Amino acid sequence: KNEVEQSPQNLTAQEGEFITINCSYSVGISALHWLQQHPGGGIVSLFMLSSGKKKHGRLIATINIQEKHSSLHITASHPRDSAVYICAADMRFGAGTRLTVKP
Amino acid sequence: NAGVTQTPKFRVLKTGQSMTLLCAQDMNHEYMYWYRQDPGMGLRLIHYSVGEGTTAKGEVPDGYNVSRLKKQNFLLGLESAAPSQTSVYFCASSEWDRNSPLHFGNGTRLTVT
Repeated sequence: KNEVEQSPQNLTAQEGEFITINCSYSVGISALHWLQQHPGGGIVSLFMLSSGKKKHGRLIATINIQEKHSSLHITASHPRDSAVYICAADMRFGAGTRLTVKP
Repeated sequence: NAGVTQTPKFRVLKTGQSMTLLCAQDMNHEYMYWYRQDPGMGLRLIHYSVGEGTTAKGEVPDGYNVSRLKKQNFLLGLESAAPSQTSVYFCASSEWDRNSPLHFGNGTRLTVT
């Protein structure tokens, strides 16, 4: 069993839909990272959080340390949100969730 | 401000050849990391460094060596390339520790034939 599990693996949505990507981890952590990998391959950091919730624009990340679970939400999804979203805990990475948003 | 720069972007090697991948960061970050990314798998940590002159093994270190002689540079070496090392390699850095935001390079696509 991977130490960091993401679901779903693939997700297709219509523009405007609310998106949720889940991440469960079994390692002990101080903080969890959410990353975005663009179709061209580049990886950018979206959030690093250790408790509660963080918001940046249409993106919201939550974490429950006791349950070892985090979620990434995208409100009012747009085709430019199409990317692979990756969570990472203690230098262990999930396999990613490939999101496709259709116009 | 260039951030994290990886060279080269692409490379094709024959089995048994050697090469070095260079990662350079201009943010004065303490931690640097080398990952490989294979289809269907998450990024896997090869080696990392917690500061100039230090290196440590990650999840998949076999077949690779690293050096961090200068704080801004982290080199990944393949002494005798194998087809199993065909992958996309990413370098990253973080300011203080593994719980600081990660900054990634654009990746190096390596093919070993």
